[in-house]
Amino acid sequence: DVKVTQSSRYLVKRTGEKVFLECVQDMDHENMFWYRQDPGLGLRLIYFSYDVKMKEKGDIPEGYSVSREKKERFSLILESASTNQTSMYLCASSPQGAYTEAFFGQGTRLTVV
Amino acid sequence: RKEVEQDPGPFNVPEGATVAFNCTYSNSASQSFFWYRQDCRKEPKLLMSVYSSGNEDGRFTAQLNRASQYISLLIRDSKLSDSATYLCVVRWGSARQLTFGSGTQLTVLP
Repeated sequence: DVKVTQSSRYLVKRTGEKVFLECVQDMDHENMFWYRQDPGLGLRLIYFSYDVKMKEKGDIPEGYSVSREKKERFSLILESASTNQTSMYLCASSPQGAYTEAFFGQGTRLTVV
Repeated sequence: RKEVEQDPGPFNVPEGATVAFNCTYSNSASQSFFWYRQDCRKEPKLLMSVYSSGNEDGRFTAQLNRASQYISLLIRDSKLSDSATYLCVVRWGSARQLTFGSGTQLTVLP
């Protein structure tokens, strides 16, 4: 069974803090993704990575950065958290290929106060 | 215009009913299509892939219409456990990432 694990289910951080969200997958997938999910807006792609040390911007990268130093781990960094970054953050991974599905972690609900 | 559009619902149907969701996509170069299911406060999970010829998995049937750029999901004999949000998902061409619709909320009532 594919397992994508996010380090925290719930996080509360203060405005201006640097926040790290960690994601680990155990299926040797090449692709990893960070999405945020907000009511009425659905899932929006923040960043994705298709290989170690490779990253590409998604639809809403502003205010975020990512790191992929090892194949199994993909980190999302909020350089200076703001209240509009309060959201559900979902990590996903998928193997290479046009017809492959993505597998999601359980999500991290981040509240910035 | 959103790249993947769904009717947000909510759809409230009685047990045993048949319900259908549609989803339209804007990019004609779209290559692969999926329906995901998301339960309240849980992560999305793959329900089924959608193939060109249409495909069925038990009570669920997915159809693809490339000419009109829409996909559909039909659920027959609805169960209480089908209550969830159903997400339409598209991958464009050679893109690695999936693009999600906002989801359609279904509640099956006893």
